[in-house]
Amino acid sequence: DVVLTQSPLSLPVTLGQPASISCRSSQSLVYSDGNTYLHWFQQRPGQSPRRLIYKISNRDSGVPDRFSGSGSGTDFTLKISRVEAEDIGVYYCMQSTHWPGTFGQGTKLEIK
Amino acid sequence: EVRLVESGGGLAKPGGSLRLSCAASGFSFSTRSMNWVRQAPGEGLEWVSFIGSSGNDIYYADSVRGRFTVSRDNAKNSLFLQINSLRAEDTAVYYCAREGKTTRSPSSWGQGTLVIVSS
Repeated sequence: DVVLTQSPLSLPVTLGQPASISCRSSQSLVYSDGNTYLHWFQQRPGQSPRRLIYKISNRDSGVPDRFSGSGSGTDFTLKISRVEAEDIGVYYCMQSTHWPGTFGQGTKLEIK
Repeated sequence: EVRLVESGGGLAKPGGSLRLSCAASGFSFSTRSMNWVRQAPGEGLEWVSFIGSSGNDIYYADSVRGRFTVSRDNAKNSLFLQINSLRAEDTAVYYCAREGKTTRSPSSWGQGTLVIVSS
């Protein structure tokens, strides 16, 4: 199975400051159709996961533009330009290029 | 509005069985692939199973293959997960999740149903 390694696993951030989460894959996530199926999810405390970003950099409907995704091949990044209180939670990357789909370990974002 | 409501979780004994259901509404269920994803207490997310829109394409995680069976009833807008030979490590919240169009990833999630396996 493809292993996704996130860093850091814990991310204390001051409100209004930027945050960045890395996701590295054990193998290339470029699919035969040319797409890269790397996605980002947010899970707020006590809630179900919510997809934020699909295929590296496409924001889902309703996701604030302070969230952005980038990367290619095996290295990917989720950035929050200015952290707000509602951003508290755990963030997961997920790949669905290779079966089975796999998730990273999660990065817990907390406010300093 | 997309709505996914899971049910059927509860306390079961090792070796026992449960059948989880997911009632879908707010979208054309018969045209969308569906997933089951689980989360053990305090742990991360684990993809469990995928079923295509017609039910012809089905995939399982290695950890559940042979014990779990996914199915759907498009006439009733419902998704199911039959769990047999339950193990302690199956204890988790099980989420039903709709596949996004062309994204190969869960775009909408239910609230989850908790399965506890304990003697």
